[in-house]
Amino acid sequence: DQQVKQNSPSLSVQEGRISILNCDYTNSMFDYFLWYKKYPAEGPTFLISISSIKDKNEDGRFTVFLNKSAKHLSLHIVPSQPGDSAVYFCAASAVGNQFYFGTGTSLTVIP
Amino acid sequence: DVKVTQSSRYLVKRTGEKVFLECVQDMDHENMFWYRQDPGLGLRLIYFSYDVKMKEKGDIPEGYSVSREKKERFSLILESASTNQTSMYLCASSPLGTTPSYEQYFGPGTRLTVT
Repeated sequence: DQQVKQNSPSLSVQEGRISILNCDYTNSMFDYFLWYKKYPAEGPTFLISISSIKDKNEDGRFTVFLNKSAKHLSLHIVPSQPGDSAVYFCAASAVGNQFYFGTGTSLTVIP
Repeated sequence: DVKVTQSSRYLVKRTGEKVFLECVQDMDHENMFWYRQDPGLGLRLIYFSYDVKMKEKGDIPEGYSVSREKKERFSLILESASTNQTSMYLCASSPLGTTPSYEQYFGPGTRLTVT
């Protein structure tokens, strides 16, 4: 059973606008969340993380929001750039345990 | 920069062959992982290792085994390859000593096709 879900397989956004990628999870024990970006023919690279004691973490153009009551996190990219076009995976873990990855959302930023 | 390398980018094997996928990391990380990535299923953990000669099953270990004789090298073995093992295989490492949490550094992946 998929514990981490990304319900949008793809997303297209105009350059300069905001991209919002969503992720839902089912396990209330998860306390650490990450986003990875993956270009074709490359391995995923770490983008940003958030622990359950926070509800927001920001790094430049990237912000992750965590809503624990809804078991939902989102990644905001502002402004979106063509180089942001990639597949984005969210991942979640409980302390001392493995990460569970979502199925990925393919983002296309249109110039 | 952390570097995780995988021995092959593309591999084609026949059903029943024994297949070795090699992974090497150069940052002295304790933890290493093998995942497979399939469309619509995301990344699924096959096996991981906390230390040399230690291994733990992930979510989908059936049909696979692993070997970690040296800290920097983690091998995934398909004892008898089957067509349902056609997939993208990703190796990763992370620096923590006892838990597989926190960010992992991934290799470029091996696209394995079993015919």
